[in-house]
Amino acid sequence: DTGVSQDPRHKITKRGQNVTFRCDPISEHNRLYWYRQTLGQGPEFLTYFQNEAQLEKSRLLSDRFSAERPKGSFSTLEIQRTEQGDSAMYLCASSVAGGRSEQFFGPGTRLTVL
Amino acid sequence: AQTVTQSQPEMSVQEAETVTLSCTYDTSESDYYLFWYKQPPSRQMILVIRQEAYKQQNATENRFSVNFQKAAKSFSLKISDSQLGDAAMYFCAYKAPDQGAQKLVFGQGTRLTINP
Repeated sequence: DTGVSQDPRHKITKRGQNVTFRCDPISEHNRLYWYRQTLGQGPEFLTYFQNEAQLEKSRLLSDRFSAERPKGSFSTLEIQRTEQGDSAMYLCASSVAGGRSEQFFGPGTRLTVL
Repeated sequence: AQTVTQSQPEMSVQEAETVTLSCTYDTSESDYYLFWYKQPPSRQMILVIRQEAYKQQNATENRFSVNFQKAAKSFSLKISDSQLGDAAMYFCAYKAPDQGAQKLVFGQGTRLTINP
């Protein structure tokens, strides 16, 4: 297994367009997380899945954001009606269950909204 | 809500020297986890070291060690024998125990430069 993968790595879109990002976790990991990182800042939590259930959502996740994890495998994060403030790096991470478990991060998708 | 603060936006050190990165956090929990993550330029974040709050012994991983002061809510990272490959953004992160929120709460990061 080669780790967490994300697609696309870069996305440029115009304001008002919809975008969708994909994350493929490490195969045996049942937990999957989405974070957003703006330039010069630490990542901020967006949402988290255990298997296919979305168990936690941040207040940062406005109604324009939706995430899914069908069948508890890959996950998608969709942003509708993008705004310039959505420009950021979107990071995906996965882990096994357990408090001390390490979250393994993917390379991220860099979104630029023009 | 838990918060994590890294008060040093940038640090630099000479190759082979030792450097310490600071982190403080705020929580009302007694059991939790603390992590240091490294994010090299244009590369993905990787775990450097973790500490369980119930353990009094400070964690060590080769050249990396922590100074965990639970009462002071302080969690610093010491890098010994600094190498050029250590240059990166370093993030301190907090996580509640398994029955609590599963998210990592990150600090703002410290950019570490290694001078040859």
